[in-house]
Amino acid sequence: DTAVSQTPKYLVTQMGNDKSIKCEQNLGHDTMYWYKQDSKKFLKIMFSYNNKELIINETVPNRFSPKSPDKAHLNLHINSLELGDSAVYFCASSLTGDSYNEQFFGPGTRLTVL
Amino acid sequence: AQSVTQLGSHVSVSEGALVLLRCNYSSSVPPYLFWYVQYPNQGLQLLLKYTTGATLVKGINGFEAEFKKSETSFHLTKPSAHMSDAAEYFCAVSEPSNTGKLIFGQGTTLQVKP
Repeated sequence: DTAVSQTPKYLVTQMGNDKSIKCEQNLGHDTMYWYKQDSKKFLKIMFSYNNKELIINETVPNRFSPKSPDKAHLNLHINSLELGDSAVYFCASSLTGDSYNEQFFGPGTRLTVL
Repeated sequence: AQSVTQLGSHVSVSEGALVLLRCNYSSSVPPYLFWYVQYPNQGLQLLLKYTTGATLVKGINGFEAEFKKSETSFHLTKPSAHMSDAAEYFCAVSEPSNTGKLIFGQGTTLQVKP
């Protein structure tokens, strides 16, 4: 059984398009995250939701909008895609937002903007 | 502000040799420290973590790390490398909070030669 799943796994699109990435966890966790991994493999947190409430919102362009319809889902919508948005996006979840908790990562979505 | 530095973006060892991956951090408060591993085309998986208590922590797959406050270090070691250990390794730090925010180092690629 997949713990944290993301769809799609690969996403190739043109500049200016709008796209969404979906994330679901079946671990019963109440906190979910989005990370961006760039071409140099550097990982940076983008957003975090706890019980559907936004608790971390890093300096991310407002073209990126997370949405959490329930505790098990955290989707990422990106408007007006740019070349620099090309990266691997990872969803993660943890039992609570407490920082000592292990975060469980999804397999990633590789976004390529042409 | 917190930061993590991993010395050596690429480490190469022979199978059976000692693995040593270096991590230094900066934090204004006693941190929580983590090592994650990323196998090719996969998400991250927790190897081990330090929160409080014993400074030598043991993780999965024979890895261990020691928290040294005086040196602000959390180096990862394994006595004998296996071919399956070849992967990307990330050190991460967080401050005690309810946000779960992780700050990652830039990663170290471990190559294991037969």
